[in-house]
Order: sequence, then C-alpha cells, then structure tokens
Amino acid sequence: KQEVTQIPAALSVPEGENLVLNCSFTDSAIYNLQWFRQDPGKGLTSLLLIQSSQREQTSGRLNASLDKSSGRSTLYIAASQPGDSATYLCAVKNSGYSTLTFGKGTMLLVSP
Amino acid sequence: AAGVIQSPRHLIKEKRETATLKCYPIPRHDTVYWYQQGPGQDPQFLISFYEKMQSDKGSIPDRFSAQQFSDYHSELNMSSLELGDSALYFCASSLSARLALDEQYFGPGTRLTVT
Repeated sequence: KQEVTQIPAALSVPEGENLVLNCSFTDSAIYNLQWFRQDPGKGLTSLLLIQSSQREQTSGRLNASLDKSSGRSTLYIAASQPGDSATYLCAVKNSGYSTLTFGKGTMLLVSP
Repeated sequence: AAGVIQSPRHLIKEKRETATLKCYPIPRHDTVYWYQQGPGQDPQFLISFYEKMQSDKGSIPDRFSAQQFSDYHSELNMSSLELGDSALYFCASSLSARLALDEQYFGPGTRLTVT
C-alpha cells in the first residue's frame, strides 16, 4: 500500500526566504505526482503535476522535482511571501485508474 | 475558466438523517472522485467514477453510495449519519483517468456537520 510522508509538518520562515518542502513515497511505481495548496477550511488548489517520466515542473516561483527511483519529490518556493502561507499537500497516483494518496501536508507560515 | 462545482457548500444534519451531496465536474471531464477530509486530516479517497461507471473504491462506508449521471455530474448519498461523518467532502474531476497527464481539479468542498 502506498504511503506518502511529508517533512517538515510545519515550517515558519520570514518573507523573502527560499524554501524546500519534501515529500517521499514508498511505492516508486507511480503514474504522476501532484502538489496542492490548501488554505484553512478551503478547497485544494493544484499547483503542479509531474508525470512519472518527468524530473521537474515549474510554475512561476514554484519548482517541483521528482526522483522516482528514490521515491522523493521536492517543492521549491522562491522568494516566499506572506500570501504563500497555507498547507501544502503532496499526492501520488499509482496507476491509470487509481486515485490519489495524500501526505499529511506541510503547514507553511511566511511572516512579513 | 469553469471549475468544479459542489452543492451545498454547508450542510447541517442530525444523527441518523440522510444527506445528498452534489458535484458538477469541469465541462468535458469524464472522471469524478470523492474525498473525505476530517479535521486536521489529509483527504481520504472514497469512490470514483469514469464514464458513469464506478472505477475505484476506497474507504467508503456501506452507509454511503454514489453515482455518476449521464451529464457526468455525481451525487454522494449518505444515510444513517453519525457524528464521525462530520467532515469536509471534496469532489474532484479529471479529463481522463487513463492518461499520465491526468490532473485532478478539486471543488471547494461541502462542509457537513452532524449534530
């Protein structure tokens, strides 16, 4: 059974810092991996999707990398802003018709 | 751009009552997923539908049932509600579950409170 772990569980940084969120998964035979953002009590916003054949994806200040063989992904956030404060969830999909298995998330707080 | 629509956004029910949650996927998306997120928890997969057929089943209680209709909208029916069913229920849709580029887009969720 796929297990997804995110480290750290919480992170507090001052505005302007670059930061890295980590995600690891136990079954490397994944289809794709998605990073989401969730604000308190709100829905999930998809940030980036990396297919199993890709090594990284970029969107604005966000860069996600994937090392399938080692079962790891990282989300790099450049020049963090207070508006980046949210919980970031990593989720993997194991096969074409399977659903997503989520990690427990990293709660990020960026202080002005 | 059109997003996933869920209704109602908030629902309050008493124990042993029934509830129906509705999900309208993004136009042309053929796959719908339902997730349950308890307080402080990560989303847990309940059930999914591809082209109106159940495609995968997760930790959905027997008291719950769901279906996808001809217009691709989906409904989650919950009966004999328990206090522990209080959670945020998300619906997600995707263009095609078969593709590696399959990206799930989530709705805003329905917050169910059982009293």
